[in-house]
Amino acid sequence: AQTVTQSQPEMSVQEAETVTLSCTYDTSENNYYLFWYKQPPSRQMILVIRQEAYKQQNATENRFSVNFQKAAKSFSLKISDSQLGDTAMYFCAFTLGGSNYKLTFGKGTLLTVNP
Amino acid sequence: DAGVTQSPTHLIKTRGQHVTLRCSPISGHKSVSWYQQVLGQGPQFIFQYYEKEERGRGNFPDRFSARQFPNYSSELNVNALLLGDSALYLCASSLVPDSKQFFGPGTRLTVL
Repeated sequence: AQTVTQSQPEMSVQEAETVTLSCTYDTSENNYYLFWYKQPPSRQMILVIRQEAYKQQNATENRFSVNFQKAAKSFSLKISDSQLGDTAMYFCAFTLGGSNYKLTFGKGTLLTVNP
Repeated sequence: DAGVTQSPTHLIKTRGQHVTLRCSPISGHKSVSWYQQVLGQGPQFIFQYYEKEERGRGNFPDRFSARQFPNYSSELNVNALLLGDSALYLCASSLVPDSKQFFGPGTRLTVL
């Protein structure tokens, strides 16, 4: 079974600074995808960024980027120029490639951006 | 375009009752997945449906069931409710099972 671990229950950062959220996962498969989802207090889950395991290049989406270390099974999220609207729960998630897209989530990291 | 919609927003039930939660996917999306998110935890996969057939099932008891209709909307049913069923139930839709999932706002179920 695949597992996802987020070891930081809570983090805080000052507005405009950079913060990195950690995630590790465990799988014996080679074909899989990794995600970071954001869940603001309004609770709608939003996809932040996605990484295909077969791609060596780290994914980036504007101020969000990942550091994907496949051998170490590590998938961290870096948020640059943090904004107040980035305050949310962040979930790391994993799914195997193929016809089934079952997402396995970590327990989440609550990020607070302070003014 | 409308996103994934879920109804009701909130629901309060007592132990032993039955509940039905509803989800309408994004137009054109044919796959719907259900997740349970207990307070303080990440979502856990319950079911995935595609073209009205069950494609995957998580580690949930038989009290949980679901179906998908010809218009691709979906219902999640939970029988004999337990206190531990209190959670936020999330629905996610995608074009096909292995494409990007878009989540709805969820239904908050409280079991007393």
